[in-house]
Amino acid sequence: EVQLVESGGGLVQPGGSLRLSCAASGFTFNDYWMSWVRQAPGKGLEWVANIKQDGSVTHYVDSVKGRFTISRDNAKNSLYLQMNSLRADDTAVYYCARKTGEYWGQGTLVTVSS
Amino acid sequence: QSVLTQPPSVSAAPGQKVTISCSGTRFNIGHNPVSWYQQLSGTAPKLLIYDNDKRPSGIPDRFSGSKSGTSATLGITGLQTGDEADYYCGTWDNSLSAYVFATGTEVNVL
Repeated sequence: EVQLVESGGGLVQPGGSLRLSCAASGFTFNDYWMSWVRQAPGKGLEWVANIKQDGSVTHYVDSVKGRFTISRDNAKNSLYLQMNSLRADDTAVYYCARKTGEYWGQGTLVTVSS
Repeated sequence: QSVLTQPPSVSAAPGQKVTISCSGTRFNIGHNPVSWYQQLSGTAPKLLIYDNDKRPSGIPDRFSGSKSGTSATLGITGLQTGDEADYYCGTWDNSLSAYVFATGTEVNVL
């Protein structure tokens, strides 16, 4: 059974940093592109970033370029999202997803507020 | 604002059919496969349709997808109260080098 479990969310002040993690199981992690998708409270889905199987290629939505970094550790079956210079409009539930949404985690809430 | 356009909401009675349109451009739907996602209230999204018209294992055939040119459509037949949810289309956009979701459609079962 495919499982994706996010962690690392919480309350952070504007300008602060946070690192999200996603533990994957039930499939061969290094066979798949992986993504982060977020959803602001009461809003729709927004794709944030994705990363190729070997980590050699990444893509980002314009609003996070230069602030967020997606990475992976295939030996640990884990996906990460390093978020710096956080802003209030980054407040959202962040989901880890296989490819662009074949499977989803339960999400982790990030709140950026003073 | 998204580069993909969906109606904000659609409604129908139980047992009826609804269709949800997803309109894009030659940079996204025109050149890339479309997926559809269902999000029940308070839960994570779930993949309903991939590669325009394919259903993952476990998705009932009441759900169908199609694509023509720069538009895609999700159809739900035999509407059930359990189908009340938000539905999103998504695809890759070659000009943005990013995956894009539409703003979503709320399905209401009257």
